[in-house]
Amino acid sequence: DTGVSQNPRHKITKRGQNVTFRCDPISEHNRLYWYRQTLGQGPEFLTYFQNEAQLEKSRLLSDRFSAERPKGSFSTLEIQRTEQGDSAMYLCASSLRGQGFTEAFFGQGTRLTVV
Amino acid sequence: GEDVEQSLFLSVREGDSSVINCTYTDSSSTYLYWYKQEPGAGLQLLTYIFSNMDMKQDQRLTVLLNKKDKHLSLRIADTQTGDSAIYFCAESPNQGGKLIFGQGTELSVKP
Repeated sequence: DTGVSQNPRHKITKRGQNVTFRCDPISEHNRLYWYRQTLGQGPEFLTYFQNEAQLEKSRLLSDRFSAERPKGSFSTLEIQRTEQGDSAMYLCASSLRGQGFTEAFFGQGTRLTVV
Repeated sequence: GEDVEQSLFLSVREGDSSVINCTYTDSSSTYLYWYKQEPGAGLQLLTYIFSNMDMKQDQRLTVLLNKKDKHLSLRIADTQTGDSAIYFCAESPNQGGKLIFGQGTELSVKP
């Protein structure tokens, strides 16, 4: 297993278009997280799944954003009607829920540029 | 509310110690974390501390936790040029495991 994989690595889109990103977590991990990071800021939590259930969504996640994890494995994050303010790095992380400390492993991210 | 704050920049000379500071707000966080981000690379967990500990040492890294003041620090001994990166402090305020990050401290190590 090579870790958390995100595709594409870069995406340039025109304002108003829809985009979809994919995250493949580490295979045995049951938790999957999406974060957004803008330049000069730390990652901001967007949403997370435990298996296929979406258990928490941030107030940052407007109704233009939707995330799915249909079979509890890979996840997709879709942004509809993109705006320039959506330009950011979108990070995915996965972890294994258990007792005590568990480490979240991050992918390298998808950089979105809305022009 | 959930908020984590860090100073934005730190510059040190190679061989010196670096100390990066962080304050957080949620006293219910079970663990507190330090992540490292290098250009073009993903976030890497450096170390973490359990909330009932005051100190944790891991090779060149020392984490100090003051729960009363909600203050966390990361000390890097004998700082090397390869330590140049952005360091993020993070807390985990609930059982879901989501992380609340600070805005990051950019560490610059001069030879």
